[in-house]
Amino acid sequence: QVQLQESGPGLVKPSGTLSLTCAVSGDSISSNYWWSWVRQPPGKGLEWIGEIYHSGTTNYNPSLKSRVTVSVDKSKNHFSLKLSSVTAADTAVYYCASSARLAGGGSYSAVIDYWGQGTLVTVSS
Amino acid sequence: DIQMTQSPSSLSASVGDRVTITCQASQDIRTYLNWYQQKPGKAPKVLIYDASNLETGVPSRFSGSGSGTDFSFTISSLQPEDIATYYCQQYDNLPLRFGQGTRLEIK
Repeated sequence: QVQLQESGPGLVKPSGTLSLTCAVSGDSISSNYWWSWVRQPPGKGLEWIGEIYHSGTTNYNPSLKSRVTVSVDKSKNHFSLKLSSVTAADTAVYYCASSARLAGGGSYSAVIDYWGQGTLVTVSS
Repeated sequence: DIQMTQSPSSLSASVGDRVTITCQASQDIRTYLNWYQQKPGKAPKVLIYDASNLETGVPSRFSGSGSGTDFSFTISSLQPEDIATYYCQQYDNLPLRFGQGTRLEIK
């Protein structure tokens, strides 16, 4: 059973870069999963941000693609999110997640099987 | 992008009621649709995958149906512990996209 734990600053200044890390336990990050980030603004719905495979292949939401980088560190068994040029609209609970059930011949996630507990990131000066 | 339109946005029902939520895709997504339950302050949890398959350990009062563009999610007999927000999610194509959510309350 995969377990995920987000960490990172809870407050980021406008125009700055949001950086979060997700520690993976219970399995290797090099196993056959896609590793994802999903966010949820307060009181609103879920938005998929992007994902990475242990090979380094990434998929991003086009609405955020110009500002997002997802990376993986196999030596630490974790993956990370960077979101640049943040504004108040980026204030949200950020979840890291993983998918063992894949689509498109394995080229992206189908079902989000495991979720971290989520971490609130507020963008404010 | 495939847009997902979920309705209603909120729903109030009594314990024991049959509750149905619908989700419409902007194009044919075959059966590539999941349903998640999110309780307040918690991460979502998948209940139904591939439109109609019940996740292991999920009570049989939950069910899903549909294909193409029109899908439904049903709770056959609402229980107090079912109070949550429910989301559909398509995976026919990237980007993965969720419906707007249906907030379910007890009357």
